This record gives sequence, structure tokens and C-alpha cells, in this order.
Amino acid sequence: GAVVSQHPSWVICKSGTSVKIECRSLDFQATTMFWYRQFPKQSLMLMATSNEGSKATYEQGVEKDKFLINHASLTLSTLTVTSAHPEDSSFYICSASAGGTYNEQFFGPGTRLTVL
Amino acid sequence: RKEVEQDPGPFNVPEGATVAFNCTYSNSASQSFFWYRQDCRKEPKLLMSVYSSGNEDGRFTAQLNRASQYISLLIRDSKLSDSATYLCVGATDSWGKLQFGAGTQVVVTP
Repeated sequence: GAVVSQHPSWVICKSGTSVKIECRSLDFQATTMFWYRQFPKQSLMLMATSNEGSKATYEQGVEKDKFLINHASLTLSTLTVTSAHPEDSSFYICSASAGGTYNEQFFGPGTRLTVL
Repeated sequence: RKEVEQDPGPFNVPEGATVAFNCTYSNSASQSFFWYRQDCRKEPKLLMSVYSSGNEDGRFTAQLNRASQYISLLIRDSKLSDSATYLCVGATDSWGKLQFGAGTQVVVTP
């Protein structure tokens, strides 16, 4: 099956620092990548959709200047949480889709961010 | 109203029993649906895709009722390893944007 990796798997940082999370599709080219955030006991919340070579489309309420997304190639997207604060602590998950008729998404293992 | 709604459970199921639960969706334009399972503190993993009236994969059967706008998932001969949260997901647009339900927790007991 399609494999998506994320790095790092967990990170602890001080308030005010920036954190970059990488998402890679390992065995397929991802036309579209998605970034989600999940708080405890809640479902995944889509933050943004990114297509290779174009600007990401952010969901309502998600600050694009705080959550910088770069989709430089068909196998790599990055999410940078700028000036992180404790309320940004969450489980960040990316997914990748190869497109096609049914657009199945394959998820990375997630990155657990804790901001002190 | 949420686009995809699920009974949060938990559904407590004896090992070997059958459990079924539904998911309702409000957007009649939804084209395809998926069931994902998510274990605690892990990423969702695709369990089944549902495109037409339903799909079956081993002990798992999904059915789609477009007239009543619901999708069901049935698990036969439940195993302890089936304990997880099952996420109902609908896809509406051509970019594949997904709408997630909040999940149904299933706990299989010995």
C-alpha cells in the first residue's frame, strides 16, 4: 500500500519558537497533500490543502501566516508552525492523495507537538 | 449540523460477536465514502472504501444507502484487535477534500 512518512514523530519546544514538520509520500507521487490537526478525543480537523507548486488553500479559521505550508515536490510537503504557543500543542497529521477517481488519502503517522 | 455524524459509542462487544453501527451524512453531493480505523494516539488507517451500494472485505461489510444518506459498517466475529475508533469519512469535491465524522469507539472484550 501507499506509504506516507512524517518527521519528526514528536517534538517539544519552547513558546515562541518555530517548528517544521515534513510529510513525504514514499512510494507514490502525491498530487495533493492535506494537513490535519487533532485534539484529544476529537476528530481530525482539516487545516489546509496543498497542491504541488501552488499556494495552499486554508480552511476557515486557520491562520496562513502562522501555519506555513510548502509543497515543493510531488513527494514532499512541509508545515511550519511559526511562533508556537501552548494552544498549538496538538497531533498534526498529513495525508497524501495520488488523485484518480476515488482520491483515497493515505495518512502519515502524525507528529505530536507540545509547546511549553 | 455536522456534515458527517456518528454515534460516539463506546460499543462494548464480546469477542466473536457481531457489531454494526451507522454514520449519516448531510451533503447529498458526497461522491465516495471511506471507513478508517484509528487507534489511540495513532494515525487513521484506511479500512474500506465505499463507492456504490457497499463493499465487503473479510469480516467487514460496509453498506451505503444514498436515499437515506447513511453508511453502515458491520464487523463479524469480532477480535480483540478490532478495538479502535472507526471514522466515517465522506469525499465531496474533485480535490478529494474529506469530511470526517467524530468516530465510533468499539471495545471488544474477552
